[in-house]
Amino acid sequence: AQSVAQPEDQVNVAEGNPLTVKCTYSVSGNPYLFWYVQYPNRGLQFLLKYITGDNLVKGSYGFEAEFNKSQTSFHLKKPSALVSDSALYFCAVRIGAAGNKLTFGGGTRVLVKP
Amino acid sequence: DSGVTQTPKHLITATGQRVTLRCSPRSGDLSVYWYQQSLDQGLQFLIQYYNGEERAKGNILERFSAQQFPDLHSELNLSSLELGDSALYFCASSVGDSPNQPQHFGDGTRLSIL
Repeated sequence: AQSVAQPEDQVNVAEGNPLTVKCTYSVSGNPYLFWYVQYPNRGLQFLLKYITGDNLVKGSYGFEAEFNKSQTSFHLKKPSALVSDSALYFCAVRIGAAGNKLTFGGGTRVLVKP
Repeated sequence: DSGVTQTPKHLITATGQRVTLRCSPRSGDLSVYWYQQSLDQGLQFLIQYYNGEERAKGNILERFSAQQFPDLHSELNLSSLELGDSALYFCASSVGDSPNQPQHFGDGTRLSIL
């Protein structure tokens, strides 16, 4: 079955330290991978995507993600976290042959402490 | 602001009732998606419409139905409501049907069943 997993429910990091949010996937064929962020009482905001090409993808707000085909991972990273990065982060993979159906991981809550 | 508008923001109703959630996509977007977010099920894809036609279907109950109108707005109809239908319902839109295009989410409709 095609799926995506986020192994950590919560990540705590001090402001200014590197932030990593993990994601692994299981799909048949080439994966289309996405990261979204959700702030309280808001919808999801698109951060970045991997479709093909360079394994290091740069996105919004200083975030980047590294696609690793051998490890079937797509970890989200930020070199220096901000308190304002505290939010819920979702990894998603597009599945199915028709349409643009996304399957989301369970989400990882990031808490950046001052 | 994502440009996707969902109404109402909050809806409180009773078991057995029927409700309609409305979504206006971003200007120019042809695809509309519906998702359900709940604590126990996480974020689940329900259905996608592209230019008025159903394009992909997910874990949508038979009690739920959706449509996309000629002006591209969409409605999600939920009937015979049960306590377990209490959730946050998101609409998203994208320009077309390609997985290369990110989905842009509205702020959701919070449905509470009493």
